[in-house]
Amino acid sequence: SQQGEEDPQALSIQEGENATMNCSYKTSINNLQWYRQNSGRGLVHLILIRSNEREKHSGRLRVTLDTSKKSSSLLITASRAADTASYFCATGTGGFKTIFGAGTRLFVKA
Amino acid sequence: GAVVSQHPSRVICKSGTSVKIECRSLDFQATTMFWYRQFPKKSLMLMATSNEGSKATYEQGVEKDKFLINHASLTLSTLTVTSAHPEDSSFYICSARGATRPGQDTQYFGPGTRLTVL
Repeated sequence: SQQGEEDPQALSIQEGENATMNCSYKTSINNLQWYRQNSGRGLVHLILIRSNEREKHSGRLRVTLDTSKKSSSLLITASRAADTASYFCATGTGGFKTIFGAGTRLFVKA
Repeated sequence: GAVVSQHPSRVICKSGTSVKIECRSLDFQATTMFWYRQFPKKSLMLMATSNEGSKATYEQGVEKDKFLINHASLTLSTLTVTSAHPEDSSFYICSARGATRPGQDTQYFGPGTRLTVL
């Protein structure tokens, strides 16, 4: 990818389990965002965390950011089959240029 | 909320033809628009950044003569894939930067355009 890597590349879990996805990036950032994309569809913005924040919550989502390690994680708790999608981290730098990570494909089995 | 639209949502064309994709910001003025390309099961790759009234800035490896970008107004940017070939088949997504309220400058993504070149 243009910015960094996500791991794992693919994740398969049972409904009800938690899913954790990690993202690493290369350059200094203003913010980091997580997006969701269902197969062949557009992006859905999930959450934005600013570079001076360390953790953020939104419903079943929890995002952490470690700027010293240039990494972030997305935790989805109590996963549902409807959470099956690809998840991308994206970093924002000056000028609103947003660069995407490689993505994690999550499959939640009912 | 703010909406960014793309037209067409799907297009199939013959090899050698040119295809124009429109990106519009519907309820705000977009000072900057971005074009991304996404191959199947891959991430979004930034192709270019366009500012209204000026030439687009292309990312390394993106042919500017192949992918013509025109940001003619604060609500419209177009991407023209010239002399399209099968390897140009991809999902093209635009995003627009703007403020729906004073001080709330943010970025919104369009729904994407799937291009298939036969």
